[in-house]
Amino acid sequence: QSALTQPASVSGSPGQSITISCTGTRSDVGSYNLISWYEQHPGKAPRLLIYEVKKRPSGVSNRFSGSKSGNTASLTISGLQAEDEADYFCCSYVGSSTYVFGTGTKVTVL
Amino acid sequence: QVQLQQGGAALLKPSETLSLTCGVSGASFSGHFWTWIRQPPGKGLEWIGEINHLGSATSNSSLKSRVTISIDPSRNHFSLRLTSVTAADTAVYYCARYPYTDYGRFDSWGQGTLVTVSS
Repeated sequence: QSALTQPASVSGSPGQSITISCTGTRSDVGSYNLISWYEQHPGKAPRLLIYEVKKRPSGVSNRFSGSKSGNTASLTISGLQAEDEADYFCCSYVGSSTYVFGTGTKVTVL
Repeated sequence: QVQLQQGGAALLKPSETLSLTCGVSGASFSGHFWTWIRQPPGKGLEWIGEINHLGSATSNSSLKSRVTISIDPSRNHFSLRLTSVTAADTAVYYCARYPYTDYGRFDSWGQGTLVTVSS
């Protein structure tokens, strides 16, 4: 199972919106609405931002939103803030109780 | 509130066996899958495998022959065993969990354990 493809880096100015893509295949992203997104600051464990494509756990800012079209899922961060500078990873269920993560995207706040 | 607790860093030589344990407090083992995920230095996350409270486990096909995941609810922990390690297994290893009702919702993570494989 190959890693899902994410852009290596995305940048934006404070207050702007950015979108991170996560491209898979018909066998993973395209087959299941079981896409999750994680934020990871240096030296820290990942933190859940989005699950089941667009659901937000309690405590996660509504500036984070998720969507999916075909074999590509997306995470949008609105009103970009300095604290959003981190690495972001997507994850997809691929059947038979197995998962695959994305390659990761470094977000830089200019 | 659930807490997943992992041990300190480990140094292994090539061909040795990696053994890690994740202690669980504040939650029951039933109703969740208990998962191992790793991250090589400077790289992305890789799903290793998972186990439920009944001891039914699955693992990444790329590691399957070397991976054993076990669970001991009576001692409040689950474990990972990876045999015949090489430098490519150098990574931070995380334990995590997700509920039966929300596949892939990894909502709680351990702090991670750095495992270095070097001769």
